[in-house]
Amino acid sequence: DAGVTQSPTHLIKTRGQHVTLRCSPISGHKSVSWYQQVLGQGPQFIFQYYEKEERGRGNFPDRFSARQFPNYSSELNVNALLLGDSALYLCASSSGTANYGYTFGSGTRLTVV
Amino acid sequence: SQQGEEDPQALSIQEGENATMNCSYKTSINNLQWYRQNSGRGLVHLILIRSNEREKHSGRLRVTLDTSKKSSSLLITASRAADTASYFCATPISSGSARQLTFGSGTQLTVLP
Repeated sequence: DAGVTQSPTHLIKTRGQHVTLRCSPISGHKSVSWYQQVLGQGPQFIFQYYEKEERGRGNFPDRFSARQFPNYSSELNVNALLLGDSALYLCASSSGTANYGYTFGSGTRLTVV
Repeated sequence: SQQGEEDPQALSIQEGENATMNCSYKTSINNLQWYRQNSGRGLVHLILIRSNEREKHSGRLRVTLDTSKKSSSLLITASRAADTASYFCATPISSGSARQLTFGSGTQLTVLP
């Protein structure tokens, strides 16, 4: 079985642009969570989606949005990019809403210049 | 904000030695999880210890949990160069129907051949 797949793996954007990151969860997993990891720090929670509904949101501005599709894949959108948005964006999938059993993807490295 | 803090921030040892990393957290927990991250890539789940457990083993890994001190430790025995990575502790937080992991800032382990 394929693990959690994220695309693209690397991305360079200019300040003010918009970016869309994609995540495909493990087959059968209905929950997808997004995390931002700035260099030298631990991951920070951005969103959790379960059964296409937003279940939780971290302390991120409204420039960050996400959605989950009927096949449980997910997109993370960031508008009006700032230099500080440069980070590794990680997607994690799990089968339900328990607080364990997460599998992470390899991430998308976003660089804003 | 970070729930947990790892100590030390960086650790360098010789191959064959044991490596111990500590994690402190702030709020009561249901479980505590340890993850490994190679070179800024995805997180790999190593081990989970529940709040009613004091010690758990998995191969060369030994995890302890002291809920009275709100701390955990990860011991890697007989380390190998391939163990070089960043190690994070993570605690799940439930807010309404959301489930999120809160990570510490990590310990960078370097195992010298």
